[in-house]
Amino acid sequence: DAKTTQPNSMESNEEEPVHLPCNHSTISGTDYIHWYRQLPSQGPEYVIHGLTSNVNNRMASLAIAEDRKSSTLILHRATLRDAAVYYCILNTGNQFYFGTGTSLTVIP
Amino acid sequence: EPEVTQTPSHQVTQMGQEVILRCVPISNHLYFYWYRQILGQKVEFLVSFYNNEISEKSEIFDDQFSVERPDGSNFTLKIRSTKLEDSAMYFCASREAGQAIYGYTFGSGTRLTVV
Repeated sequence: DAKTTQPNSMESNEEEPVHLPCNHSTISGTDYIHWYRQLPSQGPEYVIHGLTSNVNNRMASLAIAEDRKSSTLILHRATLRDAAVYYCILNTGNQFYFGTGTSLTVIP
Repeated sequence: EPEVTQTPSHQVTQMGQEVILRCVPISNHLYFYWYRQILGQKVEFLVSFYNNEISEKSEIFDDQFSVERPDGSNFTLKIRSTKLEDSAMYFCASREAGQAIYGYTFGSGTRLTVV
């Protein structure tokens, strides 16, 4: 299974931008990079995904390195609602392999 | 926004009993999944389902597990004879065709407690 590496935890102050890094040095050419987040006692929630180009949506931005071996999820202004575990996942077909993710704490 | 609906939200069952977890995927979605998360552990893939058949399954998905889509709307996970170690949150997910474009939508989960 394709592996990703993320920091176990990060902190951010409310209203400030957050950059969540992910390394995926073994990514293959057809792997999509997906980001999901999981709030306490809830199911994973789709955040964003991309293949090669940077992506923006209403929730976040995804910056993908030129060699695709790393990516960064950017939350432009963290809110208390953004406190969650963020998973960076390589989609290698028909299933996801969830790692342990990054637990984001947002400080008021 | 369309949702994946799972019922019940919490199920308690005795060891050895059969349980059926129910999911209503988003109506125009074509791919369906079950995942589980044991308390404090990672989310683990169980099975994927497309075109009325299993397309992939993990080692966890042994003969005690089965899935079906009996009426074209509900998607169910059956555990024939539950064990204590089956206690977990079970998440259903679905997506449209073309993973290039669409992400997956997960339900809120069913907490299964085997006693």
